[in-house]
Amino acid sequence: GESVGLHLPTLSVQEGDNSIINCAYSNSASDYFIWYKQESGKGPQFIIDIRSNMDKRQGQRVTVLLNKTVKHLSLQIAATQPGDSAVYFCAENMGYGNKLVFGAGTILRVKS
Amino acid sequence: NAGVTQTPKFQVLKTGQSMTLQCAQDMNHNSMYWYRQDPGMGLRLIYYSASEGTTDKGEVPNGYNVSRLNKREFSLRLESAAPSQTSVYFCASRAAAPTQYFGPGTRLLVL
Repeated sequence: GESVGLHLPTLSVQEGDNSIINCAYSNSASDYFIWYKQESGKGPQFIIDIRSNMDKRQGQRVTVLLNKTVKHLSLQIAATQPGDSAVYFCAENMGYGNKLVFGAGTILRVKS
Repeated sequence: NAGVTQTPKFQVLKTGQSMTLQCAQDMNHNSMYWYRQDPGMGLRLIYYSASEGTTDKGEVPNGYNVSRLNKREFSLRLESAAPSQTSVYFCASRAAAPTQYFGPGTRLLVL
């Protein structure tokens, strides 16, 4: 899940295993959700997005699941690789204006 | 197609000095954004520009000014830098969809 402050939640997985990163969002009016990956020393990189009228969307090795009932978003990464090690952020579009609200992030560490 | 570019990559300032961070995008996006990221934190919006000729404050605008020079360029100015402005600054842009695309960041240290 998400948290704020200096101590980001960390997920450690073995190479080849599947990873699930969770995010709780705040606004039931949010109409669009985005997952970003940020490697050390780099800018956030777009991974996948999903509209609020969808429950699931798949990309290459990634799947995003949206549960609007409990305002929960998850990112599943299949066959996790060392190159997947990064901080992962979810972001929600509040449905008005042009702004995104970002979570604090989750650290993913992949053990070889 | 370079996407979003930012200059400089690194900068060290003394308290009270001024500087301008530059951002440019070549994706013909209408909206552009400036964020700051502090250690272990998510991104906080400083200012944004929904379209050329408009700018609006975000969550943490104090101590900053912006200029949307044209559709491609959006600059962030620190008039009198303070140690609390030590951070990593990211510029982003978006088209019609909400997804934003980010630059590589500027790392700023204010002594």
